[in-house]
Amino acid sequence: DTGVSQDPRHKITKRGQNVTFRCDPISEHNRLYWYRQTLGQGPEFLTYFQNEAQLEKSRLLSDRFSAERPKGSFSTLEIQRTEQGDSAMYLCASSLTAVAPFGPGTRLTVL
Amino acid sequence: KNEVEQSPQNLTAQEGEFITINCSYSVGISALHWLQQHPGGGIVSLFMLSSGKKKHGRLIATINIQEKHSSLHITASHPRDSAVYICAVRSRRDQGAQKLVFGQGTRLTINP
Repeated sequence: DTGVSQDPRHKITKRGQNVTFRCDPISEHNRLYWYRQTLGQGPEFLTYFQNEAQLEKSRLLSDRFSAERPKGSFSTLEIQRTEQGDSAMYLCASSLTAVAPFGPGTRLTVL
Repeated sequence: KNEVEQSPQNLTAQEGEFITINCSYSVGISALHWLQQHPGGGIVSLFMLSSGKKKHGRLIATINIQEKHSSLHITASHPRDSAVYICAVRSRRDQGAQKLVFGQGTRLTINP
């Protein structure tokens, strides 16, 4: 499968724990996006990388959130000291042109 | 007010009916996307439009740039069309990230 992949697909954690998600984009895609989707809503932009550079961050990305793309390939999104409000689907997309295929998402549940 | 508004939020129809989902947006755009999301969460791109009309199988997407409005139509609807349909735009002002701004989605249920 040469699409965008995300790991894990599901994560259940207790409030206060740290979690890390991984996104593997399509190999030649230089742009990578993270979005968050809460129940019943459309996705919202979190952050964007061009190669290894993080070029834009949403106000939604509080200081408990950090994203990296160290070698310009896969990316990680870490949430520290998780809160119940962080429960959502975290989606990754990558692109080379205007069309950005999405990964399957990581569904986070914070108890 | 959201930059992208969809209607209706929920739509239930019988198999075979003609379906229309509407999307209005308030910003100048470089492109509009229609996306499909199934219960598992994965998002699939159906169309990308910057003008006119596109057709793929039983799906038709239209856009009116002057009115800032787009519609997604499904002909001869089938229960497998049941999903959430999401409209998303790329703002013309966004020369950097070219990120998508999403509507809240329309949950479509087609009953047999």
